[in-house]
Amino acid sequence: SQQGEEDPQALSIQEGENATMNCSYKTSINNLQWYRQNSGRGLVHLILIRSNEREKHSGRLRVTLDTSKKSSSLLITASRAADTASYFCAQSNSNSGYALNFGKGTSLLVTP
Amino acid sequence: NAGVTQTPKFRVLKTGQSMTLLCAQDMNHEYMYWYRQDPGMGLRLIHYSVGEGTTAKGEVPDGYNVSRLKKQNFLLGLESAAPSQTSVYFCASSIAPGNIQYFGAGTRLSVL
Repeated sequence: SQQGEEDPQALSIQEGENATMNCSYKTSINNLQWYRQNSGRGLVHLILIRSNEREKHSGRLRVTLDTSKKSSSLLITASRAADTASYFCAQSNSNSGYALNFGKGTSLLVTP
Repeated sequence: NAGVTQTPKFRVLKTGQSMTLLCAQDMNHEYMYWYRQDPGMGLRLIHYSVGEGTTAKGEVPDGYNVSRLKKQNFLLGLESAAPSQTSVYFCASSIAPGNIQYFGAGTRLSVL
């Protein structure tokens, strides 16, 4: 079952702008992960935030986690055309070998 | 360092034909997963394995079988392909439960 849900489904911005994507989930988590998928490619891990963390940074990426609201956000600062991709949040499901539950993702288009 | 390798990359089958998708990882990971991704959707778990010789069903297991005879390989079989199995299949592996998953590049399968 898809536990997470990203919002918006699609986002179009210009280079240099910031992009914010949100994720909501349903049950308690140990950690939440964000992945990126370029068109026709496999998923690449971006960042993992643990349930006892509120914010994490990696380069131009900033992830926040609010466990009381069961939500997370991914901020990409100073976007580049190369950031064009789909972005997924995922949570581990302990009932299925800690497989990841994915939402439908946010499709980000960054235009020059 | 190859990571996770999936073969083949593309395949076209006729309804009723069988095939095996191979996933190989060189990271000595215990956990391996097969997902499928349909247009506009996130990934859904087909089967998973928490170690050599073990397999279990995921969210959408019908029509698929798996085997994990060697730690580094996880095979996904379609005994009698159906058009509903047209999809992109991704394999992933993880060193420990809830950790980062590493994905292969995917196998694009069309069943006519």
